[in-house]
Amino acid sequence: TQLLEQSPQFLSIQEGENLTVYCNSSSVFSSLQWYRQEPGEGPVLLVTVVTGGEVKKLKRLTFQFGDARKDSSLHITAAQPGDTGLYLCAGALGAGSYQLTFGKGTKLSVIP
Amino acid sequence: EAGVVQSPRYKIIEKKQPVAFWCNPISGHNTLYWYLQNLGQGPELLIRYENEEAVDDSQLPKDRFSAERLKGVDSTLKIQPAELGDSAVYLCASSTELGELFFGEGSRLTVL
Repeated sequence: TQLLEQSPQFLSIQEGENLTVYCNSSSVFSSLQWYRQEPGEGPVLLVTVVTGGEVKKLKRLTFQFGDARKDSSLHITAAQPGDTGLYLCAGALGAGSYQLTFGKGTKLSVIP
Repeated sequence: EAGVVQSPRYKIIEKKQPVAFWCNPISGHNTLYWYLQNLGQGPELLIRYENEEAVDDSQLPKDRFSAERLKGVDSTLKIQPAELGDSAVYLCASSTELGELFFGEGSRLTVL
């Protein structure tokens, strides 16, 4: 059983469209992180959310942590080809936990 | 500031042969991780070090995998003997005190 379920698994959209990807769990996380991974590279941290209901914005990316700290979403406005990649969410169980559990990721393709 | 450095980037070996991967973390990061990533999947933790101590190796297949982090800086991950199913990308990461991971580019292993 996967601790973190990410959906959709694959997403292909046209440049300029908006999209939302989801990260869901039945477990409560002390924090949740989002990473983006490009082919042949390691994942790169985008954001960390800690407080239930927290919303963080990074340019055209908006991250939200669920009130119960069990789920999160990533919304991209006006997607660009440079947004193409594998988006991974990772949750930390327990305060101060350094052990992250990763979801399987959403593979996003933005077509010019 | 230099990032996490891994080598080799690519390795092709025949089954039953040994292989070793090396990782140099970001200076000052006491926590080091080895993850395994299969194609289309999220990273799965193999082992986590706090300085030179392995604090979580519960997912490391100890019959064929071993790791060490002498002097609490560089680390090596070894597989002996390699099996076909070990073909994957082996990612090394180090983290800040906030638990935010910085990944290397990974070592892609192909076992023939």
